[in-house]
Amino acid sequence: AQSVTQLGSHVSVSEGALVLLRCNYSSSVPPYLFWYVQYPNQGLQLLLKYTSAATLVKGINGFEAEFKKSETSFHLTKPSAHMSDAAEYFCAVTISGGYNKLIFGAGTRLAVHP
Amino acid sequence: DTAVSQTPKYLVTQMGNDKSIKCEQNLGHDTMYWYKQDSKKFLKIMFSYNNKELIINETVPNRFSPKSPDKAHLNLHINSLELGDSAVYFCASTDRGVLDEQFFGPGTRLTVL
Repeated sequence: AQSVTQLGSHVSVSEGALVLLRCNYSSSVPPYLFWYVQYPNQGLQLLLKYTSAATLVKGINGFEAEFKKSETSFHLTKPSAHMSDAAEYFCAVTISGGYNKLIFGAGTRLAVHP
Repeated sequence: DTAVSQTPKYLVTQMGNDKSIKCEQNLGHDTMYWYKQDSKKFLKIMFSYNNKELIINETVPNRFSPKSPDKAHLNLHINSLELGDSAVYFCASTDRGVLDEQFFGPGTRLTVL
């Protein structure tokens, strides 16, 4: 079975600072990994996805994530936080043949302060 | 031009009532999903349909019954509502590929009193 652990339910950064949101996964078969963002009172929107083509994945809004198999991690980063990045971020995992069934982590709330 | 739409956006009802939530997607996708997001923001899949066929059915009380009249619509009917059913319910859709993005609706906030 697959699972995802997001370390830190709340992360607070200053505007312009580095954003690092942590995600570790567990999967007995090669996983596919996703980061989604949820702005207040909205649905989820895909930031980026790892599909085994490249370990460093670039997404929208300046975010990127690196797949590290040895560490079973897929941490999300952004070099410089913007106020508009304040949202809930979800890491998710799925596997081939799984009908695209996403297993989500518990989410990390990112706060950005001036 | 909403890709995935849900109605209603808010639903307040009494315990024991029966209610439905509707979802429609205009993306031409084959697969649709229902997710439940609880008060702690935890998201869990409930059901998935592919071309009107049920393909994922998680451990959900049988008071919850999804219905897909066509591949663009997936409705969720809930019988005998309980306090614990209060949550935000999200509909999503995707193409068949496992690597395809799931597009989420705006959610329906259900409050059971």
